[in-house]
Amino acid sequence: EAQVTQNPRYLITVTGKKLTVTCSQNMNHEYMSWYRQDPGLGLRQIYYSMNVEVTDKGDVPEGYKVSRKEKRNFPLILESPSPNQTSLYFCASSFRRLTDTQYFGPGTRLTVL
Amino acid sequence: RKEVEQDPGPFNVPEGATVAFNCTYSNSASQSFFWYRQDCRKEPKLLMSVYSSGNEDGRFTAQLNRASQYISLLIRDSKLSDSATYLCVVRRDNYGQNFVFGPGTRLSVLP
Repeated sequence: EAQVTQNPRYLITVTGKKLTVTCSQNMNHEYMSWYRQDPGLGLRQIYYSMNVEVTDKGDVPEGYKVSRKEKRNFPLILESPSPNQTSLYFCASSFRRLTDTQYFGPGTRLTVL
Repeated sequence: RKEVEQDPGPFNVPEGATVAFNCTYSNSASQSFFWYRQDCRKEPKLLMSVYSSGNEDGRFTAQLNRASQYISLLIRDSKLSDSATYLCVVRRDNYGQNFVFGPGTRLSVLP
């Protein structure tokens, strides 16, 4: 089944404890993105990647890191999480030639205490 | 001012009604436009792209007015299953990945 998977789906952590949210897609998509969704603000793009080893900042990259060492994986790293990073996070991917359609993962609900 | 703004909603309409959503964007260099649908606590899914000449997909019609920087979505003969949040999405770069999402408009279709 073609899909984007994220792990974990739910996470409660404490301020300052490094964490990684994984994202993997099995559709051989070139493009991948990370978003966060907060009430009243909609989805905001954190980082995106147009190919292996090619990443760029979105609108809210502060406090986040990403890497794209393999085509299928695009992990999101929070080196020192803070309470203002409590949010719902979505990973998305798309084909380079069909970039209109982004396929989203099921989301990761993160709470930072 | 947000780069993409939408009707605040929520919209509560009876089954069979026609409902229209509006969206405005402030970046005149924006290249592509979309409507996504998001069910409660689920991931967004592409509903339709919006083309300059306007386009229709079954009961859904999308319009774009570049001069006014305005996008609309019309849903005819609304169904209970249309209840969701509708997200207006703008892409800043052509064929790229730099997307901006509006805050969404929630629709509830009532029996």
